[in-house]
Amino acid sequence: SAVISQKPSRDICQRGTSLTIQCQVDSQVTMMFWYRQQPGQSLTLIATANQGSEATYESGFVIDKFPISRPNLTFSTLTVSNMSPEDSSIYLCSVDPGVDEQYFGPGTRLTVT
Amino acid sequence: LAKTTQPISMDSYEGQEVNITCSHNNIATNDYITWYQQFPSQGPRFIIQGYKTKVTNEVASLFIPADRKSSTLSLPRVSLSDTAVYYCLVGDLPLYQLIWGAGTKLIIKP
Repeated sequence: SAVISQKPSRDICQRGTSLTIQCQVDSQVTMMFWYRQQPGQSLTLIATANQGSEATYESGFVIDKFPISRPNLTFSTLTVSNMSPEDSSIYLCSVDPGVDEQYFGPGTRLTVT
Repeated sequence: LAKTTQPISMDSYEGQEVNITCSHNNIATNDYITWYQQFPSQGPRFIIQGYKTKVTNEVASLFIPADRKSSTLSLPRVSLSDTAVYYCLVGDLPLYQLIWGAGTKLIIKP
């Protein structure tokens, strides 16, 4: 298994600003992922972040808006840039330690005013 | 990727067995069936995964008929703490490629 922590757990931000969300895993993993979940809705994959390579973004998500860093095998950050109220959501990171299970962090609840 | 259909919500009572059925009519040969549980303010948690017939672990059972066009998650003797959203995902591994549906909101009453 893998234990994942995220910081911050929640934040309220003004439009036009940026927020960086941190994701820390208690073990080394190759693959890390970032998801978005609107309140009461399902999860949508934003991007895949592998250490040593550029993040791969899903359709509808771009690097300028959601830059991702993956400096080592236990850590990643997602930045939500130039925020608007439409970015209000829960952002989740997850890992796939290669055992056909996916482990999720507790999420970061972002509110943009 | 196979599309899934689940009931939007279900109610049950403590001590009952709860069965949540997921339809996936266009499941492919290589696809697995995976269920996750999500409590409010938490990330999803893996429950169980199967390919065919029956899979059982300490938390739940997963029943998959021969045609694999549906699957049923069975939760034995539920408690109030089983109130959560349950997601059925169908697709080939790795799991991160799977598309998440709306899930089933299960409410357990005393």
